[in-house]
Amino acid sequence: SAVISQKPSRDICQRGTSLTIQCQVDSQVTMMFWYRQQPGQSLTLIATANQGSEATYESGFVIDKFPISRPNLTFSTLTVSNMSPEDSSIYLCSVDKGVDTGELFFGEGSRLTVL
Amino acid sequence: AQTVTQSQPEMSVQEAETVTLSCTYDTSESNYYLFWYKQPPSRQMILVIRQEAYKQQNATENRFSVNFQKAAKSFSLKISDSQLGDTAMYFCAFMKRGTSYGKLTFGQGTILTVHP
Repeated sequence: SAVISQKPSRDICQRGTSLTIQCQVDSQVTMMFWYRQQPGQSLTLIATANQGSEATYESGFVIDKFPISRPNLTFSTLTVSNMSPEDSSIYLCSVDKGVDTGELFFGEGSRLTVL
Repeated sequence: AQTVTQSQPEMSVQEAETVTLSCTYDTSESNYYLFWYKQPPSRQMILVIRQEAYKQQNATENRFSVNFQKAAKSFSLKISDSQLGDTAMYFCAFMKRGTSYGKLTFGQGTILTVHP
């Protein structure tokens, strides 16, 4: 299994500001994934981050709003830019198990509240 | 595009009893995975059980088992001998194998409460 640490665990932000969420994994992984869980809702994939290449964004998510960095095989950041109350969500980092099982490991998430 | 539907927003069960959570999905794919994930109040998403679509045998993991009906596109989770620690939100999820690796499509979730 993989141990995934996310920072911050939670934060309260002001409208119009940006916040960067960090995701650290205890082992090298090829692919890292960022998901969003809006209040009372299910999880939705924002983007896939591969080391050494641009992140791949899902429909409805754009790089200007959610820039992602992947500087090495154990670390990634997701920035939520120019936040509005609609961005209040839990943001979760996840990684694959490394073999073709489909299984993903998740961090504990970062709960953002935008006022 | 795939869709996953969980029609039970909330369920409750007495400790030591059995409960079944329902999930249906829609896809035109033939090669995929299905999952049940558990999200307790701590928010940590934990894999409960995994099913590969090409395997006819239903997956089991200790007290957890699934009823996978591929033709009906149904994937229910049975929890036997329910324990207080099973209280959580349960998500059914779909992943296409191949180019969409890592992209999970989740259902809306079912809140399960286990009562002592």
